[in-house]
Amino acid sequence: DSGVTQTPKHLITATGQRVTLRCSPRSGDLSVYWYQQSLDQGLQFLIQYYNGEERAKGNILERFSAQQFPDLHSELNLSSLELGDSALYFCASSLGLRDNAYEQYFGPGTRLTVT
Amino acid sequence: QKEVEQDPGPLSVPEGAIVSLNCTYSNSAFQYFMWYRQYSRKGPELLMYTYSSGNKEDGRFTAQVDKSSKYISLFIRDSQPSDSATYLCAMKETSGSRLTFGEGTQLTVNP
Repeated sequence: DSGVTQTPKHLITATGQRVTLRCSPRSGDLSVYWYQQSLDQGLQFLIQYYNGEERAKGNILERFSAQQFPDLHSELNLSSLELGDSALYFCASSLGLRDNAYEQYFGPGTRLTVT
Repeated sequence: QKEVEQDPGPLSVPEGAIVSLNCTYSNSAFQYFMWYRQYSRKGPELLMYTYSSGNKEDGRFTAQVDKSSKYISLFIRDSQPSDSATYLCAMKETSGSRLTFGEGTQLTVNP
């Protein structure tokens, strides 16, 4: 158990809908990362937050947004869902930035299926 | 072209074999090199990391980085059925926090 929790485990929804994925980092970790894992793209970095502030953006679509709250949990919002958004979404956390960030702890993931 | 290339396999070996997993990369700014292991339907977990070039050993696992060739390897000695998983290489620049992953190699160790 990495100490990172994610809810829900599975999500099935229809095209055009909006969903929210939730992540609680390990105790003491200030950085939260979101990744998308699909069969054809592998594990792709989406976005990073550190202590409530956005710090880095990767290949995140404009339809997707995230935030980190004062208690450090994070939410990833996916809207106007398309079939191609079906994937595993992982949250990871690390103690800090840069030198500490190589050691990221991953949650169990949320499997999103868009029908 | 992807920044990190990794042969997706699958790779199937008998128990006790030595396994060699490899990645190549194109970004010269990468300084941290990691290997993550991912079991089916689980999140990736960090196995080993190396900073800059060189070798690192941890039990049956050895990680090697050759920055001149932009090539990293993970060796597993005396492989066990419990090593069956997908192995992902990951890399990071010194200045940033984001990890760039390879596609992952699916390994099966047969008893």
